[in-house]
Amino acid sequence: AQSVTQLGSHVSVSEGALVLLRCNYSSSVPPYLFWYVQYPNQGLQLLLKYTSAATLVKGINGFEAEFKKSETSFHLTKPSAHMSDAAEYFCAVTPDRGSTLGRLYFGRGTQLTVWP
Amino acid sequence: DTAVSQTPKYLVTQMGNDKSIKCEQNLGHDTMYWYKQDSKKFLKIMFSYNNKELIINETVPNRFSPKSPDKAHLNLHINSLELGDSAVYFCASQQGVSQETQYFGPGTRLLVL
Repeated sequence: AQSVTQLGSHVSVSEGALVLLRCNYSSSVPPYLFWYVQYPNQGLQLLLKYTSAATLVKGINGFEAEFKKSETSFHLTKPSAHMSDAAEYFCAVTPDRGSTLGRLYFGRGTQLTVWP
Repeated sequence: DTAVSQTPKYLVTQMGNDKSIKCEQNLGHDTMYWYKQDSKKFLKIMFSYNNKELIINETVPNRFSPKSPDKAHLNLHINSLELGDSAVYFCASQQGVSQETQYFGPGTRLLVL
């Protein structure tokens, strides 16, 4: 079975502060892991993904995430928050490694608010 | 030149009606998906088609019937709509295998009254 847990449904930070969004996964096989962002009334956009041995993954808009197998975590960070980062963030896992199946199992999302 | 488009963007209808949502991608991808996002923003996969063949059906009621006339299109028909069907439905497309990025459409907001 595979699942994703995002700790904290809401995270608030001040502009310029560190952003840390937590994601823990469980998977019966080595997973691929993804972070997606959803801006209001829009679809999802990929921020970054982990699919290889490189455990520190850099994405768009200054975000990065580190895959830690021992902790089954894939937390998303950004050193300095910007107002435009305010959105809903989803962590997702697919257990379908190397398969044409690409089922994404999503966490329940974390709403990021950035205060000026 | 939208990559993944959906129509309509909004759909308001009465219980018991039948409705369809259309999805088109111009990325040349061979795999397409339907996801449902509920009122609490939880996203769940419903269906997947690869080269017009159904490969994933995640225990969705048979009132929901996807149809893929060609690789670029994946439509979702819903019969006898229920209040619980109210949600945002997202189409996504992907090329090849599971590590590739899924590109999402803007969503169709369905409200069943």
